[in-house]
Amino acid sequence: AQKVTQAQTEISVVEKEDVTLDCVYETRDTTYYLFWYKQPPSGELVFLIRRNSFDEQNEISGRYSWNFQKSTSSFNFTITASQVVDSAVYFCALTPNSGYSTLTFGKGTMLLVSP
Amino acid sequence: KAGVTQTPRYLIKTRGQQVTLSCSPISGHRSVSWYQQTPGQGLQFLFEYFSETQRNKGNFPGRFSGRQFSNSRSEMNVSTLELGDSALYLCASSPGQGANLNYGYTFGSGTRLTVV
Repeated sequence: AQKVTQAQTEISVVEKEDVTLDCVYETRDTTYYLFWYKQPPSGELVFLIRRNSFDEQNEISGRYSWNFQKSTSSFNFTITASQVVDSAVYFCALTPNSGYSTLTFGKGTMLLVSP
Repeated sequence: KAGVTQTPRYLIKTRGQQVTLSCSPISGHRSVSWYQQTPGQGLQFLFEYFSETQRNKGNFPGRFSGRQFSNSRSEMNVSTLELGDSALYLCASSPGQGANLNYGYTFGSGTRLTVV
């Protein structure tokens, strides 16, 4: 069975602060994919990143960065210099790389960025 | 490239009624998955269709069903609605096979169903 835990239910920061969203996962699969999605108030899940379990390199995309550590089963997401537009619910998700699979989501972290 | 289209955006139904939701995937994508999102349970997988066949099913009662048409559009149906079925229903589109099997899932904006 797979499980994704996002221990932080809600985080509030002031604009320009850095913020890290935690994601810890459990899986028995040897290969898998990890994802981060953003859900603004409109409801649509917006894809942010996909990471293959073989690739432990950290990734940076603009103000976003991801730290994947297989040894601790964590895939954390950092927003640098947060902006009000970053306010949303962020979901971490997992799927095994075995045939056709489904996403297992964490409960999500609501990020509130105030001016 | 058009995204994933879900209709309708909002629905209000009465307990005991049935409802049909529609999802049109990205052109060329053959896999459509459905997820239910509620405040209590979060995002839960309902089922996945590929080339008109259900490939995977989540742990939901038989009142929840779906189908996929030859043009990859999918519908999900909920019969005998209960108050607890009130949720945001999200549809996800993906290529569904080959090297892009787990490339990523593009979600629609969802259908918000309220059962009264």
